[in-house]
Amino acid sequence: EVQVVESGGGFVKPGGSLRLSCGASGLTFADAWMSWVRQAPGKGLEWVGRIRNKGTSDYPTPVKGRFTMSRDDSKNTVYLQMNSLTVEDTAVYYCTWSGFTYFASWGQGTLVTVSS
Amino acid sequence: QSALTQPPSASGSPGQSVTISCTGTSNDVGGYNYVSWYQQYPGKAPKLIIHEVTKRPSGVPDRISGSKSGNTASLTVSGLQAEDEADYYCCSYAGSNNFVFGTGTKVTVL
Repeated sequence: EVQVVESGGGFVKPGGSLRLSCGASGLTFADAWMSWVRQAPGKGLEWVGRIRNKGTSDYPTPVKGRFTMSRDDSKNTVYLQMNSLTVEDTAVYYCTWSGFTYFASWGQGTLVTVSS
Repeated sequence: QSALTQPPSASGSPGQSVTISCTGTSNDVGGYNYVSWYQQYPGKAPKLIIHEVTKRPSGVPDRISGSKSGNTASLTVSGLQAEDEADYYCCSYAGSNNFVFGTGTKVTVL
């Protein structure tokens, strides 16, 4: 069974930065595509980005240029570096093990709060 | 990229069926057979229940099914049970390595 665990959430002021981590087990991590999906309080799901097994990544327009995903296969970990944060980035951030077109296994999420 | 449109709520009595629609455009739902559905209980992480329009992951009961016609995908839950009361989200590949989620539907078992 694939297990995914996020960490690194917390409180940050607008304009600040935060790095989230995501560890995964129960899979061949070096072959895994991983994604981040967020959910603002009381709102729906929003795709935040994906990193492929070779390290290339994709992002939607709202976060492109501000968010960067990276991975360390030796640690079975992916990272989400978030810069220039705004209050609209406040959300629970979920890390997921991804198929090409779907999100197969989800972590429990980590809360990011952006507030002055 | 606009969110896919789902009804805010749906309901049914135990044993009945409920169908949730997910409407997009020819650039997402209508353009690819890459619609997935997720079930989410309050305070919990979403769970994949359908992928590639109709495919069920291992462990998902066969009373849950997916379909698509044109720009609208649908999720049907047959034989409603109390445990089906949850939020449901659709998601579609939208081309150019992008994904778009639906607005979400709260299913209530009466």
